[in-house]
Amino acid sequence: GAGVSQSPRYKVAKRGQDVALRCDPISGHVSLFWYQQALGQGPEFLTYFQNEAQLDKSGLPSDRFFAERPEGSVSTLKIQRTQQEDSAVYLCASGGTTDTQYFGPGTRLTVL
Amino acid sequence: TQLLEQSPQFLSIQEGENLTVYCNSSSVFSSLQWYRQEPGEGPVLLVTVVTGGEVKKLKRLTFQFGDARKDSSLHITAAQPGDTGLYLCAGVPQKDSNYQLIWGAGTKLIIKP
Repeated sequence: GAGVSQSPRYKVAKRGQDVALRCDPISGHVSLFWYQQALGQGPEFLTYFQNEAQLDKSGLPSDRFFAERPEGSVSTLKIQRTQQEDSAVYLCASGGTTDTQYFGPGTRLTVL
Repeated sequence: TQLLEQSPQFLSIQEGENLTVYCNSSSVFSSLQWYRQEPGEGPVLLVTVVTGGEVKKLKRLTFQFGDARKDSSLHITAAQPGDTGLYLCAGVPQKDSNYQLIWGAGTKLIIKP
């Protein structure tokens, strides 16, 4: 498709499990962002890629969170040893040459 | 800290009424964007305003960027049930990086038929 896609759409994990969330950006988009969104709140910035380079990871809440974009296209957000406070919707957005960011539908993560 | 404060946080009105949502900050922004988000979906961009005092219209939606580029408003005329959703403003701070958006917490709008 022409938009940003994310998978899985829903993920339930037991506390302590590792999870991997995938983002397929719009083809040709250089910028890629990951956000965390709590229910009824605005997105919170996690990390930013320009092509394969991770230029900003200041929003990652702990060293259990890791993101990569090895070939400058698909990106994976990995959360190790998940905790209940990690439960949220994880949004991916990609962008071209302007400020505009195009969002995927998100992955809703529930940690039990 | 560069914050974008949105008000009201929640608004429930009858179909056909008018409403205004506000997005305010003490900081100057290079640009400001409005998004609408529906449950289970990511935010969808409605408009980007760049110039102080700029007014943009999108059908029944009117967006205004403050003269000082510190605030913005979204006005909806004759609201329809299809306007229901979470409205988010986000801005690019003038003096900071040109990629990281600062987000408001959103206004949850419900239009009752």
